[in-house]
Amino acid sequence: DAGVIQSPRHEVTEMGQEVTLRCKPISGHDYLFWYRQTMMRGLELLIYFNNNVPIDDSGMPEDRFSAKMPNASFSTLKIQPSEPRDSAVYFCASSLHGRGYNEQFFGPGTRLTVL
Amino acid sequence: GQQVMQIPQYQHVQEGEDFTTYCNSSTTLSNIQWYKQRPGGHPVFLIQLVKSGEVKKQKRLTFQFGEAKKNSSLHITATQTTDVGTYFCAGRWGSARQLTFGSGTQLTVLP
Repeated sequence: DAGVIQSPRHEVTEMGQEVTLRCKPISGHDYLFWYRQTMMRGLELLIYFNNNVPIDDSGMPEDRFSAKMPNASFSTLKIQPSEPRDSAVYFCASSLHGRGYNEQFFGPGTRLTVL
Repeated sequence: GQQVMQIPQYQHVQEGEDFTTYCNSSTTLSNIQWYKQRPGGHPVFLIQLVKSGEVKKQKRLTFQFGEAKKNSSLHITATQTTDVGTYFCAGRWGSARQLTFGSGTQLTVLP
């Protein structure tokens, strides 16, 4: 398996532009998580899905952020409009819950810079 | 919300010295996981602890879960340059599926 795939790996945009981050989880995994990592705030959970349904979006910072999971193999995180304080590394992770560790497998991340 | 406090934030050691990072929760955890993130990389799962007082070893790494399931530690014996990175604990409470990550301990190993 290729692991969790994220695109783009790097994104540089200007304030006010729309940004869409993409994630393909590991096939067969039933949970998908979006995180944001910054020096100041560490690794924060933004939202997570179970079987494509959003379960908890309490970590989404504000209405400018939205996430969707239209099917089991694809999810997007959208920021509209983007602001400089949104600059961070965004990780997607997936997991399979059942027997075992239920560990999360992280993608390589998208480094977002908003100018 | 519930938090996991992790200390220290940074640790510089000479190669061959030992290293320990600690995590603490004010309430009882259902389980705790540990992850390692190399510079420029992504978090990678190391271990999960579930039982009170549990101790697990992976080569030079020793993981412990406190008797009250409120604290945990990761100890590395005789550090090597390959141990460089940030070590995160991540806790779960009750039946929650999501993890709450500690702030991480950034380990630097000087050759």
